[in-house]
Amino acid sequence: ETGVTQSPTHLIKTRGQQVTLRCSSQSGHNTVSWYQQALGQGPQFIFQYYREEENGRGNFPPRFSGLQFPNYSSELNVNALELDDSALYLCASSPTPEYEQYFGPGTRLTVT
Amino acid sequence: GQQLNQSPQSMFIQEGEDVSMNCTSSSIFNTWLWYKQDPGEGPVLLIALYKAGELTSNGRLTAQFGITRKDSFLNISASIPSDIGIYFCAGQLGSGGSNYKLTFGKGTLLTVNP
Repeated sequence: ETGVTQSPTHLIKTRGQQVTLRCSSQSGHNTVSWYQQALGQGPQFIFQYYREEENGRGNFPPRFSGLQFPNYSSELNVNALELDDSALYLCASSPTPEYEQYFGPGTRLTVT
Repeated sequence: GQQLNQSPQSMFIQEGEDVSMNCTSSSIFNTWLWYKQDPGEGPVLLIALYKAGELTSNGRLTAQFGITRKDSFLNISASIPSDIGIYFCAGQLGSGGSNYKLTFGKGTLLTVNP
């Protein structure tokens, strides 16, 4: 059984640019959640997708947006990057929204 | 955003010692989870708790869901060097929409001296 995978592993962008991060959910999981983890902090919830619809959103501005595809993989898009967006971005999948979430290895984004 | 109060922030112990860490919240959760994160990697689920008062073990790890639903603790017995890492507690309220999000503590950094 393949776990959660994310791409790319690392990314360096310039302030003002746009970025797309990708996540493949674990087999049999229809729910994907995205989290931002700043250095020395716990992960912060960005949003969750369930069966291709947004199913809850945290306190992140609209320039953070997402998609979920029919195969339940997902994308996180961030527009107009700011220096504070530098963080580890984690994707987690679960069989349904209320079950435990399993995390991928993350994408390390650096904004200069 | 909201974070749980997790303590201690860090621990430095000798191999073979037992470890205890806990997590408290000002609001209730219906699910408590404990994760371990190694440097540069994503959190790995250790234990999930679904019922107030529940005590669950996973090998040398034991976790409990507090009766008030506002706290949880994790014990590690007979620590070994591979236990080194950051341990996070997470709470989930459940019952729809953003309530399915996980709210995390700041983590406990565990160092085990061989």
